[in-house]
Amino acid sequence: DAGVIQSPRHEVTEMGQEVTLRCKPISGHNSLFWYRQTMMRGLELLIYFNNNVPIDDSGMPEDRFSAKMPNASFSTLKIQPSEPRDSAVYFCASSLGGQGRIPLHFGNGTRLTVT
Amino acid sequence: DAKTTQPPSMDCAEGRAANLPCNHSTISGNEYVYWYRQIHSQGPQYIIHGLKNNETNEMASLIITEDRKSSTLILPHATLRDTAVYYCIVNNAGNMLTFGGGTRLMVKP
Repeated sequence: DAGVIQSPRHEVTEMGQEVTLRCKPISGHNSLFWYRQTMMRGLELLIYFNNNVPIDDSGMPEDRFSAKMPNASFSTLKIQPSEPRDSAVYFCASSLGGQGRIPLHFGNGTRLTVT
Repeated sequence: DAKTTQPPSMDCAEGRAANLPCNHSTISGNEYVYWYRQIHSQGPQYIIHGLKNNETNEMASLIITEDRKSSTLILPHATLRDTAVYYCIVNNAGNMLTFGGGTRLMVKP
């Protein structure tokens, strides 16, 4: 079990640039979540996919953020244009079953710094 | 999700039991209690969950009071590697979890 794989681990970019974060969920898992963690706001759920379909994106901060899941083994979170306040650690998590008691498995995150 | 209250920090001596409390007085009948932890620079890690009965696995034990308004996570023999932030979450579906501030557990030699 390779676990949830996120790339890159670290990303440094300048304000205004496009940033794309990538996630490969655990094989067989059908639910995928993007979280953001900052010192000020803690862990926040951004968006939740079930069977590749976005179910709840109410946590996406604004239109600069978009997420896609083109297939069961890949998801992206894109920020365009990026701003310094987007600096955070972004986590991807996956689980088996949208309404089950199955725990979430998190990746080790992408630390984004926007200068 | 029902709101949870945890102490912001706790210390524990290595080899001793760590007992982490959580209050969830507004929990509803179909909501489970979940515990996750986050070790520095890593993603959160699932520990255990329960509904009414006490639960035990290879990592920890979960004690839920009879009225379900509070619970305690027990690490029976804490090690330095258990130093982490521990999150207590109440949720009815187990998926769209809302993380609060958690308890920062420091295990000391």
